[in-house]
Amino acid sequence: QLQLQESGPGLVKPSETLSLTCTVSGGSISSSSYYWGWIRQPPGKGLEWIGSIYYSGSTFYNPSLQSRVTISVDTSKNQFSLKLTSVTATDTAVYFCARVISRVAAVYYFDYWGQGTLVTVSS
Amino acid sequence: DIQMTQSPSTLSASVGDRVTITCRASHIISSWLAWYQQKPGKAPKFLIYKASSLESGVPSRFSGSGSGTEFTLTISSLQPDDFATYYCQQYHSYPLTFGGGTKVEIK
Repeated sequence: QLQLQESGPGLVKPSETLSLTCTVSGGSISSSSYYWGWIRQPPGKGLEWIGSIYYSGSTFYNPSLQSRVTISVDTSKNQFSLKLTSVTATDTAVYFCARVISRVAAVYYFDYWGQGTLVTVSS
Repeated sequence: DIQMTQSPSTLSASVGDRVTITCRASHIISSWLAWYQQKPGKAPKFLIYKASSLESGVPSRFSGSGSGTEFTLTISSLQPDDFATYYCQQYHSYPLTFGGGTKVEIK
């Protein structure tokens, strides 16, 4: 059974960089059929797609965050990571990692999700 | 960006009721729509893809329909486990976007 687990600091200071890692178990991140993605959800609000990455390193980002986001992959560790720079209080959210169904180099929907991790931006 | 609008935002229903949630897209998205269920403190659970295709293991009381800009998620007979918030998501174009959610609560 595929499992995804987010890890990283739960508290980040304003203007600093948020860094999270997603560890995939029960399957290979190098599968040709999937991308891997990050989604966030501010407390009490809806879902926002951040971006997605293929095992080769090919990425898609949400333009609203693109200037501050980097998603990377480490196939040797079966992990992918998120970095979000210059954070403010509006970046406070539960961050989820997920497997992304993809076709012909396009990302579609999210079929497996991690449990999510709350990141609070505060001094 | 394609805006996804769900209605109602909250729905009160009883066990056994037939429930319908609507999702409207700001542009034509063909059938490139997914639905998710989320319970408090949990990750979303994937239910439906391509507007009407049920993910394996999802109970048959869930169904989806629609194409173009208007879509519906129907629960034919609401069960206690179905009280949750439901989200639609378009994957016609980037950025991928979600609806604002519909909370199904106990009447």
